[in-house]
Amino acid sequence: GESVGLHLPTLSVQEGDNSIINCAYSNSASDYFIWYKQESGKGPQFIIDIRSNMDKRQGQRVTVLLNKTVKHLSLQIAATQPGDSAVYFCAENRGFGNEKLTFGTGTRLTIIP
Amino acid sequence: GAGVSQSPSNKVTEKGKDVELRCDPISGHTALYWYRQSLGQGLEFLIYFQGNSAPDKSGLPSDRFSAERTGGSVSTLTIQRTQQEDSAVYLCASSSMPLGAGEKLFFGSGTQLSVL
Repeated sequence: GESVGLHLPTLSVQEGDNSIINCAYSNSASDYFIWYKQESGKGPQFIIDIRSNMDKRQGQRVTVLLNKTVKHLSLQIAATQPGDSAVYFCAENRGFGNEKLTFGTGTRLTIIP
Repeated sequence: GAGVSQSPSNKVTEKGKDVELRCDPISGHTALYWYRQSLGQGLEFLIYFQGNSAPDKSGLPSDRFSAERTGGSVSTLTIQRTQQEDSAVYLCASSSMPLGAGEKLFFGSGTQLSVL
């Protein structure tokens, strides 16, 4: 069935190191992918997105990579900081006319000082 | 307003009671979404509004769940005859254009619903 899933439920990274969070999706019709960050007691916050016609997109300290061949998405966070500790979700959307986001179950990232 | 506002932030109710959850989207945002997040899980789509219309209600889990939006602004999610499995965080989000056009969703902090 359709799903968006994460390989690892938890990840601990030393402050200053880079982190990589992975996500697999199964639906070839997925057109738009988003990474969200959710801190305790708050709603998800947009980090970065990528469309299916791209394989890489960079933001401030974050990079999203999309491999459509193996239906894999990753979020790279450079030079991690304590404020990066949160749960990270990937989500997919099927593009114009479809308003539903399908979320993965999330990865908890902990930055070790 | 500055962001999406939801109320109450916490709601404890007894099984069988009805509850209403409120969402105030960002001013001017025409698209409004409700999601549900169970403990330790990702978000589950419930319903999407464009203006006051709900073109996609496919995520509402049963006929006990309903939602409305008035004046193209405030939305209310109503759960009738609550069950323990309804316990979750209910999140509202809004955007200035439909998501399919590539617009970002802005989420509120959610309402934590606990059904005893």
